[in-house]
Amino acid sequence: DVVLTQSPLSLPVTLGQPASISCRSSQRLVDSRGNTYLNWFQQRPGQSPRRLIYKVSNRDSGVPDRFSASGSGTDFTLKISRVEAEDIGVYYCMQNTHWPPYTFGQGTKLEIK
Amino acid sequence: EVQLVESGGDLIQPGGSLRLSCVASGFTFSDYWMHWIRQAPGKGLVWVARISDDGSGINHADSVKGRFTISRDNAKNTLYLQMNSLKVEDTAVYYCARDRLAEPYDKWGQGTLVTVSS
Repeated sequence: DVVLTQSPLSLPVTLGQPASISCRSSQRLVDSRGNTYLNWFQQRPGQSPRRLIYKVSNRDSGVPDRFSASGSGTDFTLKISRVEAEDIGVYYCMQNTHWPPYTFGQGTKLEIK
Repeated sequence: EVQLVESGGDLIQPGGSLRLSCVASGFTFSDYWMHWIRQAPGKGLVWVARISDDGSGINHADSVKGRFTISRDNAKNTLYLQMNSLKVEDTAVYYCARDRLAEPYDKWGQGTLVTVSS
């Protein structure tokens, strides 16, 4: 099974400052056709998860452009250019290249300093 | 508006059975694969099971294989999870989510809480 390791697990950030979350995979996440299926989700306190990014770097509709993502192979990153109060929550990476099972990272808790 | 509404969660004793439902609306249910994902209290997200759009392809996580069964009724726009031989460690909020063209989980339900305890 693919293991996704996120870092840091806790991320205190000052409002208006950037934030970055790493997601490292135990296997390369590119399939035989050259596609990479790595996604990012946000879960605000008390809410269901929400997808932010699909296939490495594609932002979902309605996601602010301060969120961006990149990566390849086994190393992926989610970046927030300027953290706002509404960004508080837990962020998960998730892969659907090598399944089953579909696997999530452990989650990174973003909190305001 | 796309909606996924789970129900069926309850407090149940170890060894018991429960069936969860997820009713879909606002999109063509039969065009989508569907998944169950769970989240134990204070913990992360864990994939439980997947079913293809026509129900012909099914996968379950090893932790639930032989105990849980995913199914769907496209005529009723409903996804199910039959949960048997429940264990304390199955306690979690269970979410349903849709998946199309390898772009999974763009929509989630609100979740339903299953508590397994004596």
